[in-house]
Amino acid sequence: AIQLTQSPSSLSASVGDRVTITCRASQGISSALAWYQQKPGKAPKLLIYDASSLESGVPSRFSGSGSGTDFTLTISSLQPEDFATYYCQQFNSYPPLTFGGGTKVEIK
Amino acid sequence: QVQLVESGGGVVQPGGSLRLSCAASGFTFSSYGMHWVRQAPGKGLEWVAFIRYDGSNKYYADSVKGRFTISRDNSKNTLYLQMNSLRAEDTAVYYCAKDGMTTVMGWFDPWGQGTLVTVSS
Repeated sequence: AIQLTQSPSSLSASVGDRVTITCRASQGISSALAWYQQKPGKAPKLLIYDASSLESGVPSRFSGSGSGTDFTLTISSLQPEDFATYYCQQFNSYPPLTFGGGTKVEIK
Repeated sequence: QVQLVESGGGVVQPGGSLRLSCAASGFTFSSYGMHWVRQAPGKGLEWVAFIRYDGSNKYYADSVKGRFTISRDNSKNTLYLQMNSLRAEDTAVYYCAKDGMTTVMGWFDPWGQGTLVTVSS
């Protein structure tokens, strides 16, 4: 199974900060990667698919990049509603579909 | 709009069984693959199972293979997860999710609100 390693596992940031989360795959997955945002007690929400395609309705401050084994989710200017946990997920090789361990973004 | 509503969760003893349901609306259910994904309390996300749009292919995580069965009724726009031989480590919120692609497995969008399964004596 392809393993996804997210870093950092948590971070503290202030409103307005630029935030970058990385996701590294144990083997190449082309651009078959998605990013999700999950708030406490809620279901995850799709932000990015195909590594860099922004889901409809998602603010443009979110962006994704990368291919192969190294991927990045960037929030250009952190907003109060962005404090949440973020997960990456690969769909290049399955089963199983796999997720990263998550990155919790907290208020500094 | 697309909506997924899970039901059937609850408390069950180890070794017991439970069947989860997911009612879908707002899209052509029979055209999309569907997934179950779970999240243990305070933990990350774990993919559980997938069923192709027509039910012809099913895939499972190793952790549930042989114990869980995914199925669907396209006439009722409903997805199911039959869970047998439940263990304490199956305790989690179970989400159903629509696949973002039509012919192969892809991303999950959208997700239901989840239903909690607790395996405890």
